[in-house]
Amino acid sequence: SAVISQKPSRDICQRGTSLTIQCQVDSQVTMMFWYRQQPGQSLTLIATANQGSEATYESGFVIDKFPISRPNLTFSTLTVSNMSPEDSSIYLCSASQGASQPQHFGDGTRLSIL
Amino acid sequence: GDSVTQMEGPVTLSEEAFLTINCTYTATGYPSLFWYVQYPGEGLQLLLKATKADDKGSNKGFEATYRKETTSFHLEKGSVQVSDSAVYFCALSENDYKLSFGAGTTVTVRA
Repeated sequence: SAVISQKPSRDICQRGTSLTIQCQVDSQVTMMFWYRQQPGQSLTLIATANQGSEATYESGFVIDKFPISRPNLTFSTLTVSNMSPEDSSIYLCSASQGASQPQHFGDGTRLSIL
Repeated sequence: GDSVTQMEGPVTLSEEAFLTINCTYTATGYPSLFWYVQYPGEGLQLLLKATKADDKGSNKGFEATYRKETTSFHLEKGSVQVSDSAVYFCALSENDYKLSFGAGTTVTVRA
């Protein structure tokens, strides 16, 4: 199964700043995804990162707030823009080889905004 | 749309007890079903999966059977250990690759 590395693993940021999270997969994958997990809760899909085209965002998430890049089949970034305390969460990257294949997750980025 | 309903926690057990976490789903087609585990401070790890009706997924002593007639995928382990303390998520995926997660069940095993 794919091994996924995320960085940073955690950060404390100031209100109004932006942070870019990187996700690296050790093999080429078809699909990459970004999730948010608020404290004590389940995972919510932010967007599907599409290689070579714009990401597909879920309801409630917009590109201006969460711009995503996917320049190739092994790498993606998520930026959390103009952060506020409500953005304090764990952000997780996942990857899948295709339909009916499981998604494998990175260890997540624990983000706190002061 | 697709959804997963998972047994609410938290669940507290003694070591060597039997664990069951109920999971039922709603889907338009024939989804693949998964159980993921999240240990404290870590990301999600795939525990087991089943891709069609009557399939049984198993790993690390955990089992779950894909029951189409009851739209269920209950997780079971016959004898839990302290190291099984974690949050368990049931999830499904249809052809669009997206995962729909249940709310998660926190399991604490006491020595």
